[in-house]
Amino acid sequence: DGGITQSPKYLFRKEGQNVTLSCEQNLNHDAMYWYRQDPGQGLRLIYYSQIVNDFQKGDIAEGYSVSREKKESFPLTVTSAQKNPTAFYLCASSIDRRGRAFFGQGTRLTVV
Amino acid sequence: EDKVVQSPLSLVVHEGDTVTLNCSYEVTNFRSLLWYKQEKKAPTFLFMLTSSGIEKKSGRLSSILDKKELFSILNITATQTGDSAVYLCAVGISYNNNDMRFGAGTRLTVKP
Repeated sequence: DGGITQSPKYLFRKEGQNVTLSCEQNLNHDAMYWYRQDPGQGLRLIYYSQIVNDFQKGDIAEGYSVSREKKESFPLTVTSAQKNPTAFYLCASSIDRRGRAFFGQGTRLTVV
Repeated sequence: EDKVVQSPLSLVVHEGDTVTLNCSYEVTNFRSLLWYKQEKKAPTFLFMLTSSGIEKKSGRLSSILDKKELFSILNITATQTGDSAVYLCAVGISYNNNDMRFGAGTRLTVKP
């Protein structure tokens, strides 16, 4: 079945540690995105990528990094520089930026 | 500054009621407006609207866009408990910038 898969579903991190969230899609989509969702707020764009080996910062990129070495994969690293990383992270893909996005099930990151 | 505002933020109704969710926007270079339903984790696509005055319909759900007044509504008739979710409005901005802004969402609760 085609889809977009995020892992893990739940992640706990100690302060000062980097952590990487996985996002894989087999929809053959060129565009992929990472969003952060906090309670009572909408989705805020962290990074997006339109093609392999290219990515752009969104509104809240500070403290995050990404790579796009393969079309299917767009991992997000939450670095120790991110001051408030506890949140729900959603990965999405679309054929292009004009159309509908398909979302993964999300990763809930908690800093302990 | 581009912004998308949804109202109300939360709504509680009883089964069989009809509800109207609102999304207003102020953005540069409008391209599209999309509605998503988020039940637990992954938002799922409902509608994409690009033209004013053309209603999109899917079962008990319908949506329309007014590009002059800069808003969209999502109607749900004969609500069911399964309609309980957060409904997200997203506005696509400028193909070149490839940006999409999400509203904070409307949390709909349908009581039996």
